[in-house]
Amino acid sequence: DPKIIQKPKYLVAVTGSEKILICEQYLGHNAMYWYRQSAKKPLEFMFSYSYQKLMDNQTASSRFQPQSSKKNHLDLQITALKPDDSATYFCASSQGWGSAETLYFGSGTRLTVL
Amino acid sequence: GDKVKQSPSALSLQEGTNSALRCNFSIAATTVQWFLQNPRGSLMNLFYLVPGTKENGRLKSAFDSKESYSTLHIRDAQLEDSGTYFCAAENNNNAPRFGAGTKLSVKP
Repeated sequence: DPKIIQKPKYLVAVTGSEKILICEQYLGHNAMYWYRQSAKKPLEFMFSYSYQKLMDNQTASSRFQPQSSKKNHLDLQITALKPDDSATYFCASSQGWGSAETLYFGSGTRLTVL
Repeated sequence: GDKVKQSPSALSLQEGTNSALRCNFSIAATTVQWFLQNPRGSLMNLFYLVPGTKENGRLKSAFDSKESYSTLHIRDAQLEDSGTYFCAAENNNNAPRFGAGTKLSVKP
Protein backbone atom coordinates (compact mmCIF):
# COMPACT_ATOMS: atom_id res chain seq x y z
CA ASP A 1 0.00 0.00 0.00
CA PRO A 2 1.38 3.41 -0.89
CA LYS A 3 2.21 5.41 2.22
CA ILE A 4 2.36 8.75 0.41
CA ILE A 5 -0.76 9.35 -1.61
CA GLN A 6 -0.85 11.94 -4.37
CA LYS A 7 -4.03 12.80 -6.20
CA PRO A 8 -4.78 12.97 -9.01
CA LYS A 9 -2.24 10.85 -10.85
CA TYR A 10 -2.84 12.74 -14.10
CA LEU A 11 -4.23 16.24 -14.54
CA VAL A 12 -4.95 18.28 -17.66
CA ALA A 13 -5.68 21.99 -17.28
CA VAL A 14 -6.20 24.96 -19.55
CA THR A 15 -3.98 28.03 -19.45
CA GLY A 16 -5.14 30.53 -16.85
CA SER A 17 -7.02 28.04 -14.70
CA GLU A 18 -6.32 26.99 -11.11
CA LYS A 19 -5.66 23.49 -9.77
CA ILE A 20 -4.90 21.88 -6.42
CA LEU A 21 -2.56 18.92 -6.14
CA ILE A 22 -3.23 16.72 -3.12
CA CYS A 23 -0.64 14.98 -0.94
CA GLU A 24 -1.22 12.90 2.19
CA GLN A 25 1.37 10.79 3.98
CA TYR A 26 0.74 7.96 6.40
CA LEU A 27 4.31 7.39 7.56
CA GLY A 28 3.93 9.47 10.70
CA HIS A 29 6.47 11.96 9.33
CA ASN A 30 6.73 15.56 10.47
CA ALA A 31 8.31 17.13 7.39
CA MET A 32 6.84 17.30 3.88
CA TYR A 33 8.15 18.61 0.59
CA TRP A 34 7.20 19.42 -2.98
CA TYR A 35 9.52 18.83 -5.93
CA ARG A 36 8.86 19.33 -9.63
CA GLN A 37 10.34 17.31 -12.49
CA SER A 38 10.34 18.32 -16.13
CA ALA A 39 12.60 17.79 -19.11
CA LYS A 40 14.13 21.24 -18.49
CA LYS A 41 14.80 20.94 -14.75
CA PRO A 42 14.94 17.46 -13.26
CA LEU A 43 13.75 17.25 -9.61
CA GLU A 44 13.62 20.92 -8.76
CA PHE A 45 12.96 21.72 -5.10
CA MET A 46 9.90 23.90 -4.44
CA PHE A 47 8.82 23.96 -0.76
CA SER A 48 9.38 22.18 2.51
CA TYR A 49 7.29 22.22 5.68
CA SER A 50 7.91 20.90 9.15
CA TYR A 51 5.03 20.68 11.64
CA GLN A 52 2.97 22.71 9.16
CA LYS A 53 5.46 25.59 9.11
CA LEU A 54 7.34 26.68 5.99
CA MET A 55 11.02 25.79 6.38
CA ASP A 56 12.55 26.30 2.93
CA ASN A 57 11.27 27.78 -0.30
CA GLN A 58 12.84 27.98 -3.74
CA THR A 59 9.80 28.82 -5.84
CA ALA A 60 9.93 32.35 -7.15
CA SER A 61 6.33 32.64 -8.28
CA SER A 62 3.49 33.40 -5.87
CA ARG A 63 1.23 31.38 -8.18
CA PHE A 64 2.41 28.33 -6.26
CA GLN A 65 0.95 28.17 -2.75
CA PRO A 66 1.36 25.18 -0.43
CA GLN A 67 -1.53 24.47 1.94
CA SER A 68 -1.18 22.35 5.07
CA SER A 69 -4.46 21.65 6.88
CA LYS A 70 -2.96 18.80 8.94
CA LYS A 71 0.55 17.64 9.76
CA ASN A 72 0.25 14.78 7.26
CA HIS A 73 -1.21 16.90 4.44
CA LEU A 74 0.61 19.26 2.13
CA ASP A 75 -1.41 20.30 -0.89
CA LEU A 76 -0.12 22.54 -3.67
CA GLN A 77 -2.38 25.19 -5.17
CA ILE A 78 -1.33 26.55 -8.56
CA THR A 79 -3.12 29.57 -9.97
CA ALA A 80 -3.03 31.22 -13.41
CA LEU A 81 -1.59 28.07 -14.94
CA LYS A 82 0.86 28.37 -17.82
CA PRO A 83 2.05 25.74 -20.33
CA ASP A 84 5.53 26.00 -18.70
CA ASP A 85 4.00 24.63 -15.48
CA SER A 86 3.59 21.28 -17.21
CA ALA A 87 5.64 18.79 -15.20
CA THR A 88 5.38 15.91 -12.79
CA TYR A 89 4.96 17.20 -9.25
CA PHE A 90 6.32 14.94 -6.52
CA CYS A 91 5.43 15.12 -2.86
CA ALA A 92 7.93 13.73 -0.35
CA SER A 93 8.21 13.35 3.40
CA SER A 94 10.82 12.66 6.06
CA GLN A 95 10.68 11.79 9.73
CA GLY A 96 11.91 15.22 10.76
CA TRP A 97 13.58 18.32 9.41
CA GLY A 98 17.30 18.72 8.95
CA SER A 99 20.18 16.28 8.74
CA ALA A 100 19.81 12.55 9.18
CA GLU A 101 16.40 12.28 7.55
CA THR A 102 15.70 10.02 4.57
CA LEU A 103 13.28 11.33 1.93
CA TYR A 104 10.37 9.17 0.78
CA PHE A 105 8.51 10.09 -2.40
CA GLY A 106 4.95 9.73 -3.63
CA SER A 107 4.25 8.51 -7.15
CA GLY A 108 3.68 12.03 -8.51
CA THR A 109 0.98 14.04 -10.27
CA ARG A 110 1.61 14.58 -13.95
CA LEU A 111 0.24 18.00 -14.89
CA THR A 112 -0.28 19.06 -18.48
CA VAL A 113 -1.28 22.65 -19.18
CA LEU A 114 -2.77 23.29 -22.62
CA GLY B 1 24.92 27.57 -11.21
CA ASP B 2 24.31 23.95 -10.36
CA LYS B 3 24.94 23.14 -6.71
CA VAL B 4 24.94 19.40 -7.36
CA LYS B 5 26.61 18.08 -10.50
CA GLN B 6 26.29 14.48 -11.54
CA SER B 7 28.45 12.56 -13.96
CA PRO B 8 28.16 10.94 -16.37
CA SER B 9 24.77 12.14 -17.62
CA ALA B 10 24.18 8.79 -19.32
CA LEU B 11 25.81 5.38 -19.16
CA SER B 12 25.36 2.07 -20.94
CA LEU B 13 26.60 -1.09 -19.23
CA GLN B 14 26.82 -4.70 -20.21
CA GLU B 15 25.10 -7.01 -17.75
CA GLY B 16 27.56 -8.29 -15.17
CA THR B 17 29.97 -5.35 -15.37
CA ASN B 18 30.78 -2.67 -12.78
CA SER B 19 30.54 1.08 -12.81
CA ALA B 20 30.72 4.21 -10.69
CA LEU B 21 28.54 7.30 -10.67
CA ARG B 22 29.66 10.56 -9.15
CA CYS B 23 28.26 13.71 -7.61
CA ASN B 24 30.26 16.87 -7.02
CA PHE B 25 28.95 19.59 -4.75
CA SER B 26 29.55 23.33 -4.87
CA ILE B 27 27.84 23.63 -1.48
CA ALA B 28 29.12 22.45 1.90
CA ALA B 29 27.00 19.32 1.86
CA THR B 30 26.35 17.76 5.26
CA THR B 31 24.40 14.72 4.07
CA VAL B 32 23.85 12.97 0.74
CA GLN B 33 21.06 10.72 -0.49
CA TRP B 34 21.02 8.52 -3.59
CA PHE B 35 17.82 7.59 -5.40
CA LEU B 36 16.83 5.39 -8.31
CA GLN B 37 13.96 6.47 -10.53
CA ASN B 38 12.68 3.44 -12.40
CA PRO B 39 11.34 3.62 -15.97
CA ARG B 40 7.79 4.02 -14.58
CA GLY B 41 8.86 7.14 -12.71
CA SER B 42 8.87 5.90 -9.13
CA LEU B 43 11.66 7.26 -6.90
CA MET B 44 13.28 4.86 -4.46
CA ASN B 45 15.79 5.82 -1.80
CA LEU B 46 19.01 3.79 -2.03
CA PHE B 47 21.28 5.39 0.55
CA TYR B 48 21.33 8.10 3.16
CA LEU B 49 24.89 9.15 4.02
CA VAL B 50 26.72 11.31 6.45
CA PRO B 51 30.48 11.38 5.62
CA GLY B 52 31.58 7.78 5.23
CA THR B 53 30.52 4.72 3.27
CA LYS B 54 27.58 2.35 3.12
CA GLU B 55 27.01 -0.88 1.28
CA ASN B 56 23.84 -2.72 0.34
CA GLY B 57 24.15 -5.84 -1.80
CA ARG B 58 25.72 -4.90 -5.11
CA LEU B 59 25.62 -1.18 -4.34
CA LYS B 60 28.18 0.79 -2.39
CA SER B 61 28.23 4.51 -1.75
CA ALA B 62 30.75 6.92 -0.28
CA PHE B 63 30.51 10.55 0.77
CA ASP B 64 33.56 12.76 1.33
CA SER B 65 32.38 16.09 2.74
CA LYS B 66 35.86 17.66 2.76
CA GLU B 67 36.41 17.00 -0.94
CA SER B 68 32.72 17.67 -1.67
CA TYR B 69 31.81 14.58 -3.62
CA SER B 70 29.92 11.32 -3.39
CA THR B 71 30.10 8.15 -5.43
CA LEU B 72 27.76 5.24 -6.10
CA HIS B 73 29.38 1.98 -7.20
CA ILE B 74 27.32 -0.69 -8.94
CA ARG B 75 28.81 -4.17 -9.01
CA ASP B 76 27.67 -6.96 -11.35
CA ALA B 77 25.04 -4.77 -13.05
CA GLN B 78 21.66 -6.41 -13.69
CA LEU B 79 18.89 -5.47 -16.13
CA GLU B 80 16.69 -4.27 -13.26
CA ASP B 81 19.36 -1.68 -12.31
CA SER B 82 18.32 0.36 -15.36
CA GLY B 83 16.82 3.74 -14.61
CA THR B 84 17.97 7.22 -13.61
CA TYR B 85 20.12 7.65 -10.52
CA PHE B 86 19.91 10.90 -8.61
CA CYS B 87 21.96 12.25 -5.77
CA ALA B 88 20.68 14.94 -3.42
CA ALA B 89 22.63 17.03 -0.93
CA GLU B 90 21.58 18.89 2.20
CA ASN B 91 23.39 21.79 3.82
CA ASN B 92 22.73 24.42 6.48
CA ASN B 93 19.28 23.15 7.32
CA ASN B 94 18.02 23.44 3.74
CA ALA B 95 15.94 20.81 2.01
CA PRO B 96 17.84 18.35 -0.21
CA ARG B 97 18.79 19.64 -3.66
CA PHE B 98 19.09 17.21 -6.53
CA GLY B 99 21.53 16.73 -9.36
CA ALA B 100 20.39 16.28 -12.95
CA GLY B 101 20.73 12.50 -12.78
CA THR B 102 22.63 9.71 -14.52
CA LYS B 103 20.55 7.63 -16.92
CA LEU B 104 21.76 4.05 -16.74
CA SER B 105 20.94 1.39 -19.33
CA VAL B 106 21.99 -2.17 -18.61
CA LYS B 107 22.04 -4.38 -21.67
CA PRO B 108 22.07 -8.19 -21.87
